[in-house]
Amino acid sequence: GESVGLHLPTLSVQEGDNSIINCAYSNSASDYFIWYKQESGKGPQFIIDIRSNMDKRQGQRVTVLLNKTVKHLSLQIAATQPGDSAVYFCAEVAGGGADGLTFGKGTHLIIQP
Amino acid sequence: NAGVMQNPRHLVRRRGQEARLRCSPMKGHSHVYWYRQLPEEGLKFMVYLQKENIIDESGMPKERFSAEFPKEGPSILRIQQVVRGDSAAYFCASSIGQAHYEQYFGPGTRLTVT
Repeated sequence: GESVGLHLPTLSVQEGDNSIINCAYSNSASDYFIWYKQESGKGPQFIIDIRSNMDKRQGQRVTVLLNKTVKHLSLQIAATQPGDSAVYFCAEVAGGGADGLTFGKGTHLIIQP
Repeated sequence: NAGVMQNPRHLVRRRGQEARLRCSPMKGHSHVYWYRQLPEEGLKFMVYLQKENIIDESGMPKERFSAEFPKEGPSILRIQQVVRGDSAAYFCASSIGQAHYEQYFGPGTRLTVT
């Protein structure tokens, strides 16, 4: 089964509201997590990352929270804008020298006007 | 500074034909990764290459698929005798070094097998 999974396939929010996208992972050896944004017809775009020795990291309008106890990751987007509409993926990098990223299935964020 | 480039962007092949997908990494990047994405799915890692070397091909199907990254020129993902199940978007990413998490993705090649 998937090592990284998303709780909800689609999330609809009002423009200006905050969005929270969740992700569960199962590999306790993962030492690095990344959120990507993928717009229709484009490749994934890096948003923010977090290492396993951290529980929170903030960027511009985005915050990633990591709860290692329950193996849960979330992406918070403040003051959602129409340009935030996309599919959001969490990805993990396992420890021990694994080279590829392991992606979850993604959450489609829809912004309502 | 151009990003990761992939061509063609769209490729249509009939069953049994060969598909060649090209990836030019970002300038200064010598590490290339290939991923496959099925509709409504996340990306699946296929292979990781450095110049003239395959480092990790644990995600590559055992048959019909091959990849190379020659000393000169782009990285090539080759699919022989394509089947309908090969229809997907194929993404290439590159990184400057072995920091495999600092990957920058290209726009992808959408392969359709008819």
